[in-house]
Amino acid sequence: EAGVVQSPRYKIIEKKQPVAFWCNPISGHNTLYWYLQNLGQGPELLIRYENEEAVDDSQLPKDRFSAERLKGVDSTLKIQPAELGDSAVYLCASSLRTAVTGELFFGEGSRLTVL
Amino acid sequence: AQSVTQLDSQVPVFEEAPVELRCNYSSSVSVYLFWYVQYPNQGLQLLLKYLSGSTLVKGINGFEAEFNKSQTSFHLRKPSVHISDTAEYFCAVKDTNAGKSTFGDGTTLTVKP
Repeated sequence: EAGVVQSPRYKIIEKKQPVAFWCNPISGHNTLYWYLQNLGQGPELLIRYENEEAVDDSQLPKDRFSAERLKGVDSTLKIQPAELGDSAVYLCASSLRTAVTGELFFGEGSRLTVL
Repeated sequence: AQSVTQLDSQVPVFEEAPVELRCNYSSSVSVYLFWYVQYPNQGLQLLLKYLSGSTLVKGINGFEAEFNKSQTSFHLRKPSVHISDTAEYFCAVKDTNAGKSTFGDGTTLTVKP
């Protein structure tokens, strides 16, 4: 069974430039998460999708961040414009019915460096 | 809302020694508890989880954890560590009726020869 796939693995951009990250969850997982992981810290939820609906985006900085999950499968997280403080690892995770076990399956992450 | 405190940011230990990584949590509702491991440049993967039943749960790679409701703790243990156990370990808590998992800041386990 294929795991959660993210791309790109690494991205270096200059501040004020846009950047996008893509995630393909495990087949059949209807719940998808984007987490932000700063150096030396645990993952922090940015947004959670149930199928194509964003059900928790309270921590997403909506002035510069946006996300979509077309057809309830793949998802894209965009930052425009990027700031120096956005340098971090962006993790995508997926799961089955969240209220049952809550176990998350993570991708390898996309490491963003903003210069 | 929930919160997770991992009491040790770094734990150095010699190979074949026992180790305990400590995790305390705070929640006003019933929770599920998890330990995840993150190897360098990789995503997180599940080590073990507590959903209900026996308070001692066993996971992969010889790890186990004990849920203590009165002390709101979920400490991770291994009786004899290997070099390959060197990684970042994250404790997480999830409301049984909600979708969000809250993670601690992690404990770096370094196993020395």
